[in-house]
Amino acid sequence: QQQVKQSPQSLIVQKGGISIINCAYENTAFDYFPWYQQFPGKGPALLIAIRPDVSEKKEGRFTISFNKSAKQFSLHIMDSQPGDSATYFCAASRFGQGAQKLVFGQGTRLTINP
Amino acid sequence: GAVVSQHPSRVICKSGTSVKIECRSLDFQATTMFWYRQFPKQSLMLMATSNEGSKATYEQGVEKDKFLINHASLTLSTLTVTSAHPEDSSFYICSATSWTSGNSNEQFFGPGTRLTVL
Repeated sequence: QQQVKQSPQSLIVQKGGISIINCAYENTAFDYFPWYQQFPGKGPALLIAIRPDVSEKKEGRFTISFNKSAKQFSLHIMDSQPGDSATYFCAASRFGQGAQKLVFGQGTRLTINP
Repeated sequence: GAVVSQHPSRVICKSGTSVKIECRSLDFQATTMFWYRQFPKQSLMLMATSNEGSKATYEQGVEKDKFLINHASLTLSTLTVTSAHPEDSSFYICSATSWTSGNSNEQFFGPGTRLTVL
């Protein structure tokens, strides 16, 4: 019940295209869903996060779509650029007072071809 | 703001020795710090959660006597890998959160420490 399943494992997109990464969770108590970007040899960095009270959140070229009934959420990267090539992790946790443990997806290695 | 540093960035040690990794929150007080381990091409695996001034809480399967965690101040947590063996070689990453920030759920990650045990 603690799992977050992420797909695809790897993704190749042409420059200017849309990159889409999907995640599904099981624990209905989860109510905080962040996406992290990680470059090789570096720590993850928060890209964008969403709570279940909205179905979509957009920040620049990055959009999270959230489907509460299906327990799924996805990251869309518009106008993908070679600099977006990295590994992306979705995660989920409870949202509340005090630090909450994140459950990470398996990761998606994204390659943007120039 | 919200910068987390780790030291060292990479370390090579001989089997049987102990290695200490530091995690510091540079511009905020971290009430909670997390330690993760990441093997090549894999996801982050939570090892333990530490709150300032308290004993760390370890995840199932993580040996607390092997991975000693100390969170002595609101800006510093240390992970000591005792009697390291080659199978402990991995990328160790810390993160920090603060109750005083607008979102105590947001974890700020350090740059990671690459440990290689020969």
